[in-house]
Amino acid sequence: KAGVTQTPRYLIKTRGQQVTLSCSPISGHRSVSWYQQTPGQGLQFLFEYFSETQRNKGNFPGRFSGRQFSNSRSEMNVSTLELGDSALYLCASSLVGAGGSRQFFGPGTRLTVL
Amino acid sequence: SQQGEEDPQALSIQEGENATMNCSYKTSINNLQWYRQNSGRGLVHLILIRSNEREKHSGRLRVTLDTSKKSSSLLITASRAADTASYFCATDAGGNQFYFGTGTSLTVIP
Repeated sequence: KAGVTQTPRYLIKTRGQQVTLSCSPISGHRSVSWYQQTPGQGLQFLFEYFSETQRNKGNFPGRFSGRQFSNSRSEMNVSTLELGDSALYLCASSLVGAGGSRQFFGPGTRLTVL
Repeated sequence: SQQGEEDPQALSIQEGENATMNCSYKTSINNLQWYRQNSGRGLVHLILIRSNEREKHSGRLRVTLDTSKKSSSLLITASRAADTASYFCATDAGGNQFYFGTGTSLTVIP
C-alpha cells in the first residue's frame, strides 16, 4: 500500500495570507489526524477527522480548520497567517483513530511564514 | 499542556550500548505508543502497549508501562548509528485526543 502523502512539502507564505495543506491517507484508513510541530511547543494535536466528521479538536484558535472528504483525503486550512504558525505540519492516518491503533505519518509540510 | 514528558531530553551513547528513555504522563490512559522521528521527517510507529500490559518486546525494543506511576520506559538494546533519532511517547487518554511527549534526542556514536 502507498504511504501517507502530504502536499505541498514546502510552503512559504507571508503574514495575513491563508494556506491549505492536503493529506492523502493510506487506503482503507478512515481516521486522519493533524499535528503541528515546532521547536518550542513540540508536537501538538490539531484535530482528528473520521468518516468526514471532526471527532476532536486540540487547543488551537479558530484560524485553524480542516475537513475530510468522502475518500478520506483531508485538508487543513490556516487563515490570517502569523509568524508563529511557521512549523512542520504532520498528518497521520489510522484505521480506527489516533489512540486506538498505530498511526502512519506523512513526511509533513514545512510552512514558513515571513 | 502536553500529556507526556520524556527524560532525558538528550542522550548520547556509543554504538553497541543500550539506550533507555523514560516517559511520564499525567492522566489515566487507554494505551501508550512510542514513535521515532528522524530529523525533520514524519514519525514512525515503534510499539503500542495497552494499559493492562506491563511489558512488551519488539526486536531490539523493550517497553515497560507502570500505570501506578504513570510512566513508561523504552529500552533499545545493542544500539546502532541508524538508531540516531528523536523518540516520542504518545498517550491516548480517551476522547480521541492524542498527546505526544517532549521527546528524547538520541545520538548513537559509531
